[in-house]
Amino acid sequence: DIQMTQSPSSLSASVGDRITITCRASQNIDSLLHWYQQKPGKAPQLLIYSASSLQSWVPTRFSGSGSGTDFTLTISSLQPEDFATYYCVQTRDAPLTFGHGTKVEI
Amino acid sequence: EVQLVESGGGLVQPGGSLRLSCTVSGFSISGCWMHWVRQVPGKGLVWVSRISSDGRTTTYADSVKGRFTISKDTAKNTLHLQMNSLRVEDTAVYYCVRFLYPGGGWGQGTLVTVSS
Repeated sequence: DIQMTQSPSSLSASVGDRITITCRASQNIDSLLHWYQQKPGKAPQLLIYSASSLQSWVPTRFSGSGSGTDFTLTISSLQPEDFATYYCVQTRDAPLTFGHGTKVEI
Repeated sequence: EVQLVESGGGLVQPGGSLRLSCTVSGFSISGCWMHWVRQVPGKGLVWVSRISSDGRTTTYADSVKGRFTISKDTAKNTLHLQMNSLRVEDTAVYYCVRFLYPGGGWGQGTLVTVSS
């Protein structure tokens, strides 16, 4: 199975901050890495697909990069609505595997 | 508009069974792989199972293999998850998911509680 190591598990930040979340895969997953945002009581929502492509509704302050085994999600200027939990997921091979999540808090 | 609506969750005793359904609108499930993902409240996301577009190939997480069965009813555009021999550790919100990009889609989830 492909292991996804996501870090940090949580971070405290302020409105306007730039933050970066990383995911590392235990083997090459090409660009089959996607980022989701989840707010309490809600289903996850897609932010970034295929490592770096922005889902249509997503503000441009979100960006993704990486390929192979190392990936990052960056929020360039944190907004109040961005406080949530973020997950990466690899769809290269079954079982699909998620990172453990990063909770972004004030 | 893509919509996925899960149903069938509830409270069940250990060893019992439940059948979850996911009714889909806005696309045909016969044209894509469909998945189930679960989440213990307050914890992370865990992939459970998938079924191929033609319904012939199924894959399961080791934790549910032999107990859960994924299937699809293309006439009703509905995905199912038959869950047998349920355990306390199967307690979670279950989501049906289309991992298709861009867009994809998640349902709102249905809560399964396994408890005596």
